[in-house]
Amino acid sequence: DAMVIQNPRYQVTQFGKPVTLSCSQTLNHNVMYWYQQKSSQAPKLLFHYYDKDFNNEADTPDNFQSRRPNTSFCFLDIRSPGLGDAAMYLCATSRGPGDLDTQYFGPGTRLTVL
Amino acid sequence: GQNIDQPTEMTATEGAIVQINCTYQTSGFNGLFWYQQHAGEAPTFLSYNVLDGLEEKGRFSSFLSRSKGYSYLLLKELQMKDSASYLCAVKVPPGKLIFGQGTTLQVKP
Repeated sequence: DAMVIQNPRYQVTQFGKPVTLSCSQTLNHNVMYWYQQKSSQAPKLLFHYYDKDFNNEADTPDNFQSRRPNTSFCFLDIRSPGLGDAAMYLCATSRGPGDLDTQYFGPGTRLTVL
Repeated sequence: GQNIDQPTEMTATEGAIVQINCTYQTSGFNGLFWYQQHAGEAPTFLSYNVLDGLEEKGRFSSFLSRSKGYSYLLLKELQMKDSASYLCAVKVPPGKLIFGQGTTLQVKP
């Protein structure tokens, strides 16, 4: 009964080759988030969707894009991955953006850039 | 700016009690969360404080003092499986979570 699912768990891509990471959820939550977590660092929010409203963090590189075709699915597109984009990418969901709404994380996708 | 500080590493003995501290300075405060993260895995939710005081949840308790910008996570009756990273995160308007770098706890027999 997985709640937040990420595929694949491990992704290897080449420098400059576009890659898409996917996230799905069975919680029917309104908000979906994408975080980047580099080794021994804190998760860093890239962007989030509140329903269909897209919210980009000011310091998220243009190289990163996201799509949310429906409530259940959200995608992270990295247009031209660089070596510095190697990281764990975490998807999270919450019922809403309110104070009491806990974020639940998926298992993450570990991206390697060769 | 947003700043959350936690000790980088801690070591404790199986069966003991350990307290992991977190101090924060953020633009706004809508609550403080603690997550556990095992190596290579996603963070899992442990506890949440929005008002001052202690929240107890089995072997885990979390304390908050908003006036001091301070929280701690207390783990009792430590088990080997508690070896993990513990992330302190503050929710700031408009609902964004700011994470600390995490405290890596090693539990020894």
